[in-house]
Amino acid sequence: RKEVEQDPGPFNVPEGATVAFNCTYSNSASQSFFWYRQDCRKEPKLLMSVYSSGNEDGRFTAQLNRASQYISLLIRDSKLSDSATYLCVVNPSWAGSYQLTFGKGTKLSVIP
Amino acid sequence: EAGVTQFPSHSVIEKGQTVTLRCDPISGHDNLYWYRRVMGKEIKFLLHFVKESKQDESGMPNNRFLAERTGGTYSTLKVQPAELEDSGVYFCASSQERSGTDTQYFGPGTRLTVL
Repeated sequence: RKEVEQDPGPFNVPEGATVAFNCTYSNSASQSFFWYRQDCRKEPKLLMSVYSSGNEDGRFTAQLNRASQYISLLIRDSKLSDSATYLCVVNPSWAGSYQLTFGKGTKLSVIP
Repeated sequence: EAGVTQFPSHSVIEKGQTVTLRCDPISGHDNLYWYRRVMGKEIKFLLHFVKESKQDESGMPNNRFLAERTGGTYSTLKVQPAELEDSGVYFCASSQERSGTDTQYFGPGTRLTVL
């Protein structure tokens, strides 16, 4: 079983649509969770951290369910500029290691 | 403020040759990480420096890979001898705090092709 699993997509949605991405992780001891965004042939960039209480940043909402080891990202009112690959990222945080564990990413295309 | 920079942006070499990748972290960031993405796979961790010391090198695939960070500033990752399966994009990242929650800022990557 992969450490971080995501639906690879692609998700093709019209402008203005709401889209949700899901992710599961295998290490129940994981402590830190993130969504990164990666544009084509670019580096990953942090979109938002994910907290147990859920958090929102403008049109983006992230949720964490520790019991189910499940992370989600909701994008409301999709813009063309949201087209990218969204990476679910977990920090296992064991023994002083701060390595990030990445999912393969979910590709989103927002269509005019 | 300058971001993480990496050199070269692309490298094409033949199997058996040596390649050295360089990463300059954000100024003042003690933590430096190397990751790579091989085609069709997820980005995977290689190692983590805190200043000049290797904190975690559990992701290094084999002894053909050597990472250094002399002086605790820039880092190099040498692959010697390169094999076909080493092809991929090598990312460097840096962070300021030694914490699992601190943001890691990624460089643009070096795209390595081994023929």
